[in-house]
Parts: sequence; C-alpha cells; structure tokens
Amino acid sequence: RKEVEQDPGPFNVPEGATVAFNCTYSNSASQSFFWYRQDCRKEPKLLMSVYSSGNEDGRFTAQLNRASQYISLLIRDSKLSDSATYLCAVIASNTGKLIFGQGTTLQVKP
Amino acid sequence: NAGVTQTPKFRILKIGQSMTLQCAQDMNHNYMYWYRQDPGMGLKLIYYSVGAGITDKGEVPNGYNVSRSTTEDFPLRLELAAPSQTSVYFCASSQTRTEAFFGQGTRLTVV
Repeated sequence: RKEVEQDPGPFNVPEGATVAFNCTYSNSASQSFFWYRQDCRKEPKLLMSVYSSGNEDGRFTAQLNRASQYISLLIRDSKLSDSATYLCAVIASNTGKLIFGQGTTLQVKP
Repeated sequence: NAGVTQTPKFRILKIGQSMTLQCAQDMNHNYMYWYRQDPGMGLKLIYYSVGAGITDKGEVPNGYNVSRSTTEDFPLRLELAAPSQTSVYFCASSQTRTEAFFGQGTRLTVV
C-alpha cells in the first residue's frame, strides 16, 4: 500500500464550481500535512498547510481527519487559474520523510 | 534570495555514464530532499537528509547516492545511468517538518 494516495483524476469542472479532493495516508505517526500546487513543468509550491482544526484561505479549505487518516481540500468558486495539479504531502514524525501523493489534476473550463 | 538552486537545468546522458546533480540552499534549512517525477506522476522520494552528515533512503533509492557534508549542499549522484532514470529531478529543503521549498528541477534524459 502506498504511504500517501490520491485520486489522479482528472477533474474537469466549469468555472464557479466547487470541487473537493481527498488524500489518504497510511502511517499513523504522520504529524504534518500539506497541499501543494504544481503547474505544468514547474516546481511544486505550497498551497496551504493542514491543521487539526481545519483551516481556510480565501476560496480554499483544508481539513484533517486523523481517525480515518485522510486530508481534504475544497475549492469553492473555481477559476480558470485554478487549473493545475494538486499534491498532498505528509511528514511522518518518526522519520521526518516528506512523502507526496500522486497528485490530482484539475481542469477548470469556461 | 536564491532559495534552492539546482544545476544543471537540462542534461542528456548516455547509458552507463555518471553525473552529479547539484542542489544548494541558502535558507539554513536542516532538512533536504531529492525527488524524481515521471510524466503524469507524483513526486517519489529518492533520498533525504535531516542535517549535515546524516542521510537516509527514501522510496526509490536504487541507482543513486547522496552526501551532505554541509548544511547548504546536497548533491545527488547517478552511477551507470539507465533509461529508467529519465525523469525530472527536484531538490527541496525545509526547516524541521515545515513547508518545503523546491528548486526549479533538472530534466534528465538517458539515451
């Protein structure tokens, strides 16, 4: 079983739609969680960290469910500029390894 | 600020050749990572380091070696390059268990 798993998509949505991505992790010792955004042929950049209580940044909301070992990302009012690949990432407290999921591709269409 | 700098940006290697991918960071981060990314796939961890003199294997270490003699530098060595090592390689650094910053990547083709 992969340490971090995501549905690769692609997710094709119209502008203005709400879309949600999930990511599951297998190591219960995981302690830090992130969502990164990667544009085509570019390096990943941090979108947001995920906190235990959930957190919001504008149109983006991230949540953590430790009991079920998954994190989620909700994007409201999708924009064309949101089209990208979204990668979840997890750090295990016992090793410090930063492990990424496969990435989920989002295509927002006019 | 330079952040994380990777060199070279592009390279073509012949099968069996060796090379070193360079990575340097100027943020005094203790954690450094090497990933490879194949087309349409996520990032796979090759090696990582939690500080100078300490390195450990990631998910796909075979065919690669690393060293971390200083806080700033984390070179990745490919010995006996194979076509399966054709990929985009990303180096990243972070403070302990916080946001990772990435270099722009090295696009390597082995022919």
